[in-house]
Amino acid sequence: GEDVEQSLFLSVREGDSSVINCTYTDSSSTYLYWYKQEPGAGLQLLTYIFSNMDMKQDQRLTVLLNKKDKHLSLRIADTQTGDSAIYFCAERSAYSSASKIIFGSGTRLSIRP
Amino acid sequence: NAGVTQTPKFRVLKTGQSMTLLCAQDMNHEYMYWYRQDPGMGLRLIHYSVGEGTTAKGEVPDGYNVSRLKKQNFLLGLESAAPSQTSVYFCASSFGSGSKDEQYFGPGTRLTVT
Repeated sequence: GEDVEQSLFLSVREGDSSVINCTYTDSSSTYLYWYKQEPGAGLQLLTYIFSNMDMKQDQRLTVLLNKKDKHLSLRIADTQTGDSAIYFCAERSAYSSASKIIFGSGTRLSIRP
Repeated sequence: NAGVTQTPKFRVLKTGQSMTLLCAQDMNHEYMYWYRQDPGMGLRLIHYSVGEGTTAKGEVPDGYNVSRLKKQNFLLGLESAAPSQTSVYFCASSFGSGSKDEQYFGPGTRLTVT
C-alpha cells in the first residue's frame, strides 16, 4: 500500500541549513506537501510541489523532488530557532480526493545554539 | 475569523465512557476531516465529510462515529472509550478536494483513556 517515510529527528546549528528527507511509494503520487507542526498546534501547510516539477523555492524554503527515486526533500536555509517544529511530508495521487492524503510520521527539527 | 477550533483541548476518560469532540470552522469549507496522531506515526484519517449531512469512513474508523448536521460543525464521538484510543485528535477542513485545496488544522484535542 501507500507509504511515506521520514527520519524521526534532525538537529542542526542555528544559521546552518536543514535538510529534511522523505521517501514515498505511490508511483501515481502527483502532489507532495510539507506541513509544519509547532508545539501544541495543528499542522500548517508550508509548501507543496506538483510531480512535474523538480524544484520549488519560496524564500528560505527549497523543495527538491526526485520522482524516479520517489524522494522529496525540504531545505531550510539559515535555520532559526523559530523553525523548531515537526515537519510532515505528505503525498496524494492525482486520482484521489483530499481524503487520501498520506502523511509521514514527521521529523522533529531541533536547533542548537 | 477563528479558522478551525476544537473543544475540548484536553480530556481524560475511563474505559467504557463516552464523549464527543466538537470541531467548528468559520471559513465556509465544504470538506471536514478527523485525524488521530500517535507517537512515531503520521496522521491517520478517521472519518471525513464532503458536505453538510454527509460522512465517510477513513483509514481507521472503528470505535468512532461522526455527524455533520451543520456545515460548520463536525462532531467525533466515542461511544465506549478504550485505552487504544488515547491519542491527539486533529480536525481539519478544506474548501474542496483539489490538490491545491489546503487543509486547515485545528489545535488538537489530547485524549487519555485510562
